Order: sequence, then C-alpha cells, then structure tokens
Amino acid sequence: EVQLLESGGGFVQPGGSLRLSCAASGFTFSSYAMSWVRQAPGKGLEWVSGISGSGGNTYYADSVKGRFTISRDNSKNTLYLQMSSLRAEDTAVYYCAKSVDMTTVDYFDYWGQGTLVTVSS
Amino acid sequence: DIQMTQSPSSLSASVGDRVTITCRASQSISSYLNWYQQKPGKAPNLLIYAASSLQSGVPSRFSGSGSGTDFTLTISSLQPEDFATYYCQQSDSIPITFGQGTRLEIK
Repeated sequence: EVQLLESGGGFVQPGGSLRLSCAASGFTFSSYAMSWVRQAPGKGLEWVSGISGSGGNTYYADSVKGRFTISRDNSKNTLYLQMSSLRAEDTAVYYCAKSVDMTTVDYFDYWGQGTLVTVSS
Repeated sequence: DIQMTQSPSSLSASVGDRVTITCRASQSISSYLNWYQQKPGKAPNLLIYAASSLQSGVPSRFSGSGSGTDFTLTISSLQPEDFATYYCQQSDSIPITFGQGTRLEIK
C-alpha cells in the first residue's frame, strides 16, 4: 500500500524558515517524480514544486522560486521542501504528491494527508 | 503559464442527477487534463487522467471528455458521497496549474 506521510509543519514568523519532510512507502520511491502542492485555508490547490525520480531535475512555481528548495533522499525514501523567507501568503496545508512517471511532473495518483504551515507574527 | 478556468464555481444538485463540470485551458493542452475530487479536510483524490481515462478504483459514473482547450467531467447519477469539490489540472507544461475548483452541494 502506497503511503505518504508529511511532517515538519508548524508556526513560523515572517522571514523564518521551515523544512518539510514526506516519508514514502509501498512503492519504489526513486522511480517516480514527486511534488509539493499547497492549499491556503479555504482556497484552491496550488502546485509549488516538483522533482524527478533521480533528483536531477527540479521545478518551481514562480511564487516560491528562490525561496524554496525541493530535494529527495532516495536511500531514505524521503522528499523534502526547505522553505525560507516565509511570508504570510505561504500559510497553507502542504501536500506531497506522487507522479505516475519517473521524469515528468504530470498528474498525481497518491497524496499525503498534508501538514499545516502557518506564517504569522 | 497556462490558466485553467472551471465553471460553474459552485453547483447544487440532487442525488440521482446528472452533473457536468467544465474546464477551459488558456491554450491548447492536447489531452493533458486531469480531474480530482476533494472532500473537506482530506487530500485530493485522482478521478480522471489524460482527459478521459478512469483512475483505478473510481466508480464508472465518473467520466471525462475533451481535448485542446475544452474539457468536461460528468457524473452520470450523483451519489451522496459525490458531494465535494472538484478540480481540473493541466499537466501539459510546467508550472502545473489547477482550476479554481467547483463545489458540488446537495440541493
């Protein structure tokens, strides 16, 4: 059974940093691209960042480019999102999501339960 | 970036109704269009991929169609568990983008 378990969310002040983790199990982690998708309270879905199965290719939404860094450790079956220079508008539930392809960030057949990040003074 | 626009934004319907939600892309995305269902407090769930392919385990009352810029999600006979928010998503190009969502409510 595929499982994605996010952790690392919490309360942080504007300008602060936070690292999210997503522990994967039930599939060959290195064979699939992964993404982070967020959802602000009461709002829709926003794709944040994606990474190929090897980790060699990374992609970002303009809203987070230069502030967030996606990475993965295939030996630990874990996806990360390092977030810095956080803003109030980054407040959201952050989901990790599995793509169906190794190299392409396309659509998402499995999602984690989400972790809430709150940016506020 | 490719903009995805869903209509309507909200919809009231009854159990047993046939419901159609539309999604329009700001440029052609071939068939790189996917649909998700999301219930309150839960992660999205993939329903349809590549415009018309039913994800494994999804009931056959869900169907998708379209290509290019115009797409539809149809629920042939609404069931109580179908009341949720539905999102389209394009996977033609980075950045991946979602529609704003369609909230399906009980009439």
